[in-house]
Amino acid sequence: QSVLTQPPSVSGAPGQRVTISCTGSSSNIGAGYDVHWYQQLPGTAPKLLIYDSSNRPSEVPDRFSGSKFGTSASLAISGLQAEDEADYYCQSYDSGLSGYVFGTGTKVTVL
Amino acid sequence: QVQLVQSGAEVKKPGASVKVSCKASEYTFTNYYIHWVRQAPGHGLEWMGVINPRAGSTSSAQRFLGRVTMTRDTSTRTVYMELSSLGSEDTAMYYCARGTPGLNWFDPWGQGTMVSVSS
Repeated sequence: QSVLTQPPSVSGAPGQRVTISCTGSSSNIGAGYDVHWYQQLPGTAPKLLIYDSSNRPSEVPDRFSGSKFGTSASLAISGLQAEDEADYYCQSYDSGLSGYVFGTGTKVTVL
Repeated sequence: QVQLVQSGAEVKKPGASVKVSCKASEYTFTNYYIHWVRQAPGHGLEWMGVINPRAGSTSSAQRFLGRVTMTRDTSTRTVYMELSSLGSEDTAMYYCARGTPGLNWFDPWGQGTMVSVSS
């Protein structure tokens, strides 16, 4: 019962740029709550990729970038690499639910 | 480095309860929250609840109210999540993750604990 909607899958050739959207509502992203992104490699726990909509932890390559606008957010991966094949999830806080919410998840495939 | 280490896999029968542990290391245990997130096979992430290890106070997602209990032992730097009245739909990987008061992201995450519910 995710309240944040993401495309099920995106794909691109090595070196290309792909973007993943995360659509919310007036009770979460639209209410001003920041969006965070996680990368989940196959068989592993999620890892923080972007926090507060556009900030990267120091160990995350600058190929990853995030933005937020209105009730939506976006994650961009530039210079796509084979190691970027993973599932990506957005996350925010929802005031209506008084709890944290995740996106539906997007599988990135490197062609 | 900051680490969360979870207990091992569990197999339970329908109607039973399961208790998963999450042991923290390399940071001040009472300065950070611990969240619980689960992921059913082939599905996405679902937030279950959070505990403040300093006060012991908790908050749960509405759908788990009355069924999830989160506790902590400050002497061993360990947080526990107990889920009762298990059904097949509770078969999932359960993760603990650290949260910072006032901030809404989770980092780092534990390695996960697989809970399987089957008769």
